[in-house]
Order: sequence, then C-alpha cells, then structure tokens
Amino acid sequence: GAVVSQHPSWVICKSGTSVKIECRSLDFQATTMFWYRQFPKQSLMLMATSNEGSKATYEQGVEKDKFLINHASLTLSTLTVTSAHPEDSSFYICSANRYGGYNEQFFGPGTRLTVL
Amino acid sequence: GESVGLHLPTLSVQEGDNSIINCAYSNSASDYFIWYKQESGKGPQFIIDIRSNMDKRQGQRVTVLLNKTVKHLSLQIAATQPGDSAVYFCAENVSFKAAGNKLTFGGGTRVLVKP
Repeated sequence: GAVVSQHPSWVICKSGTSVKIECRSLDFQATTMFWYRQFPKQSLMLMATSNEGSKATYEQGVEKDKFLINHASLTLSTLTVTSAHPEDSSFYICSANRYGGYNEQFFGPGTRLTVL
Repeated sequence: GESVGLHLPTLSVQEGDNSIINCAYSNSASDYFIWYKQESGKGPQFIIDIRSNMDKRQGQRVTVLLNKTVKHLSLQIAATQPGDSAVYFCAENVSFKAAGNKLTFGGGTRVLVKP
C-alpha cells in the first residue's frame, strides 16, 4: 500500500512552453502533498506544500506564478511549470501524507523535465 | 542539514563489508528522522525511521542510531550488497504526529559497492 505515481516520467519541451506534472496517490487519500526539485548530484529541495482544496504554501525563493500547484482532490496534485526555460530542467518529485496517518511521506518515482 | 555543494561524498565499500553512513541534522526540535535510498533516476525509497524517544532501531540488515546530544544520525548496513549501491539521504521532521509538516533533507552520501 501507499503507492504514489507521477506522470509523465519524463518530458522534453521547448523553451517558453508550459508543462504539467501529475502526482497521484493510488491506494490512499492524501491530506498533504509535497513537491520537490532535485538537481544532479544534489539533495531534494522542497518547493511547496499543498493541501486539498486550499492554496499551496511555497518555500522561500520559489516563484508561485511560475510553478502553479493545484491540489484538486485527495488523490491528485498537479505542478505546472509555466513558460519553462532551460534552467528549469530538473528532476521533480512529489510525496504525500496519508489521510489520518502520521507524518510519513510516500514518494513518487519522479519526473525528469528537460527544457530545450 | 541542508544540501550544500555539488559533490556528494562517496563511500566505497567492499561487498560483504558493513557500511556506516553519517548525517548531522540541524534542528534540535526535530523528533522524527528517516533514511531514504535513492537509485539513479528514481524517487526516494524509505529504508528505516526513528523517533526522538529512541536511540537505536533495527530493521532487516539496517540499523539507525540517533544521538540527540550532538544531533547526529547514522545508518549502518550489514553485509553490503551490490544492490545497496545508491545515494542515501537522511531527513528530519519536527513533528511525527502532525501530518503536513515538511521534511528537511540532508546532503546525501553515495555508496558504491565494489565486487
């Protein structure tokens, strides 16, 4: 149990386009979902925390107008990278807390974004 | 701790030997600690966790030690196998019981297992 999926697993796009990444909890309801970004040979850096039905909380230095997060249901959160540029190329990972559970985070497999 | 720099420290281990990975955490208020394993191109995989009311916890071939006095966490892997080759991250959290609290990840250590 506690499986989190991400779609797509990888995406290549042209500079200036927008890309949407989905994060789904497959066998549980998630009160909170988290979005991380990871550059090569670096650790995971939290971008934002989202709760179902409310606005996301962004970490300092993360542009909320560039990284749009929508947590429409207890099983789905989406991250949209708007007007993507090459410096946005990274590995994006989501995680989720189980509804009614403790603060264990279950991680998705990640999405590799490459902006040309 | 927070990630610093672009170079992950690397631990080279002979297959069959024990591995010890260390982590210094930053927040004395943290009460929940987790070790994750990350293989190339994949998301983090839970290995073992420990709460602050414990100083040692054992799993299958892994042991986590917590020293709150010096804010230090370690992961011991017994009889390291080629499949253990990965990057290992520690993470800390200020409240295990309150879902929605963010994790802070350490910088990571790459483990290379030599046959």
